Amino acid sequence: GQQVQQSPASLVLQEGENAELQCNFSSTATQLQWFYQSPGGSLVSLLSNPSGTKHTGRLTSTTVTKERRSSLHISSSQTTDSGTYLCAIDRGAGNKLTFGIGTRVLVRP
Amino acid sequence: GALVYQYPRRTICKSGTSMRMECQAVGFQATSVAWYRQSPQKTFELIALSTVNSAIKYEQNFTQEKFPISHPNLSFSSMTVLNAYLEDRGLYLCGARRAPNSDYTFGSGTRLLVI
Repeated sequence: GQQVQQSPASLVLQEGENAELQCNFSSTATQLQWFYQSPGGSLVSLLSNPSGTKHTGRLTSTTVTKERRSSLHISSSQTTDSGTYLCAIDRGAGNKLTFGIGTRVLVRP
Repeated sequence: GALVYQYPRRTICKSGTSMRMECQAVGFQATSVAWYRQSPQKTFELIALSTVNSAIKYEQNFTQEKFPISHPNLSFSSMTVLNAYLEDRGLYLCGARRAPNSDYTFGSGTRLLVI
């Protein structure tokens, strides 16, 4: 089965609304990164958060390692936040990232 | 800061021909470089992982014969798609990291269209 599952698959927000994206993974992760993929395809690392809570700007990620889940909270969404948010884990064996399928976010003005 | 430049940004090749894409790490030493493909409507599939002082490791469904990779130094990697066909189209991304468990930094991708 899929090692990294993300929900929801897609999300439509009104500008200013908050959103919470979920990532569940089926094996122990030594590293977890949240990425933003722009409509053009470029991938940007947002946060690295294998455990605990981390903040950057309007983004907050909380990872509960024992429960194999992570969330990404977007506060006060802006139209420029539109794109796909991807969660990826590194299981430590083989040193590679395994990606989820992503959550597509559309923020309307 | 750590940056990864990838080029070309997009390319079109005729069915059965080959194309090469390059990846340059700037501001850090890329001890590991991973090449991924994102096919239409799919998530990222790892093609291969290249780590300094180790053999390049290809994932199932991807072979060196089809996707030869070069990682000659700690700042540069290239991958060629040989005999490209329709199923090879998609966005190819290279990601680099300086050490195990450090964050990956990705290039902007090479979008391959096969006609």
